[in-house]
Amino acid sequence: DTEVTQTPKHLVMGMTNKKSLKCEQHMGHRAMYWYKQKAKKPPELMFVYSYEKLSINESVPSRFSPECPNSSLLNLHLHALQPEDSALYLCASSQEVSAGGYHEQYFGPGTRLTVT
Amino acid sequence: DQQVKQNSPSLSVQEGRISILNCDYTNSMFDYFLWYKKYPAEGPTFLISISSIKDKNEDGRFTVFLNKSAKHLSLHIVPSQPGDSAVYFCAASASGAGSYQLTFGKGTKLSVIP
Repeated sequence: DTEVTQTPKHLVMGMTNKKSLKCEQHMGHRAMYWYKQKAKKPPELMFVYSYEKLSINESVPSRFSPECPNSSLLNLHLHALQPEDSALYLCASSQEVSAGGYHEQYFGPGTRLTVT
Repeated sequence: DQQVKQNSPSLSVQEGRISILNCDYTNSMFDYFLWYKKYPAEGPTFLISISSIKDKNEDGRFTVFLNKSAKHLSLHIVPSQPGDSAVYFCAASASGAGSYQLTFGKGTKLSVIP
């Protein structure tokens, strides 16, 4: 089973709303990722969690707040977003993050976010 | 500076023929390469990977070739099927940086014509 699930599939929110995106995997992976993908562009890394600790934040604005409640779950809390934040938000997981190791990342289907 | 380049934005191939998708990279630290397939409004699906100690990896209809001296890799799909129509992303990572850092190309849209 190489499934990463994400909810909701679609989300429309106003600039003053607070919402959360959820991601779940049951592959026993210890690394989880958030990516943002705009149309006709490759995915851009936002955050990396390794063993439930935030290890990478790629200079993402504070209106995006990640959370890893346990090894299977990853959330992305959204607050005061801008219309330019509208994109496909992808979650991914891999066995782990380790120097010298090769681990494929498995992606979820994404949440299509529209900020109005 | 684009470290992973997919110079063909699109490719059309007849059903049953071979599809060849190309990818070039500039960072000599990259030592692990992956191909992902993406349908519209879905997340990328991992297809196949290759480490720099190999020059070929095969999985069913998909074969990836790596030419380290040319910093070039290619994905061959034989025979191509209409269901293969999607955007294909090449990605690379450097093991010294940890496997989290995937650098993606911009993608090639493959259309397989029945």
